[in-house]
Amino acid sequence: AQTVTQSQPEMSVQEAETVTLSCTYDTSESNYYLFWYKQPPSRQMILVIRQEAYKQQNATENRFSVNFQKAAKSFSLKISDSQLGDTAMYFCAFMRGGTYKYIFGTGTRLKVLA
Amino acid sequence: EAGVAQSPRYKIIEKRQSVAFWCNPISGHATLYWYQQILGQGPKLLIQFQNNGVVDDSQLPKDRFSAERLKGVDSTLKIQPAKLEDSAVYLCASSLDPGVQAEAFFGQGTRLTVV
Repeated sequence: AQTVTQSQPEMSVQEAETVTLSCTYDTSESNYYLFWYKQPPSRQMILVIRQEAYKQQNATENRFSVNFQKAAKSFSLKISDSQLGDTAMYFCAFMRGGTYKYIFGTGTRLKVLA
Repeated sequence: EAGVAQSPRYKIIEKRQSVAFWCNPISGHATLYWYQQILGQGPKLLIQFQNNGVVDDSQLPKDRFSAERLKGVDSTLKIQPAKLEDSAVYLCASSLDPGVQAEAFFGQGTRLTVV
């Protein structure tokens, strides 16, 4: 069975600085996707970034980028130039190709300090 | 494009009562999910529909939970009778044909409190 582990329950970062959120996963599959979702107090899960396992290049979306280490089964999220609006819960998620079922980690609460 | 709509946003009920949640997915999205998110945890899949057929309901407590998706569009999730441990946020999500796009779009959820 697949598992997703987020070992940092809470983190904080000063505005404009960079922070990295960690995620590891366990799978024997070769076809899968990885995601980072943001959940602000409004509760709506918002997709931040996705990575296809077959792609070697790390995904980037503006200030958000990932460090995808397939052999180590690691998928960390880097947020550059942190903004107050980045304050939220961040969930790492795994999806086995063909199932389209997410398995979420327990989340990291990020607080951006002014 | 309109997002995933859920109602109600909040619900408080007593244990042993019944409750129903409603979800309207993004137009054209074939796949619909219901997730349960207990405070401090990540969302857990309860049931997944592909059009109006059930793909996965392995984690749905079928003795008290039921869900349906009529005509492959809207969906309702029901709990009867509710227990204290059902207190959680219930999230609905939808996605296009999985062969086209993998990521799901989530609604704002319904926060259920069972007292």
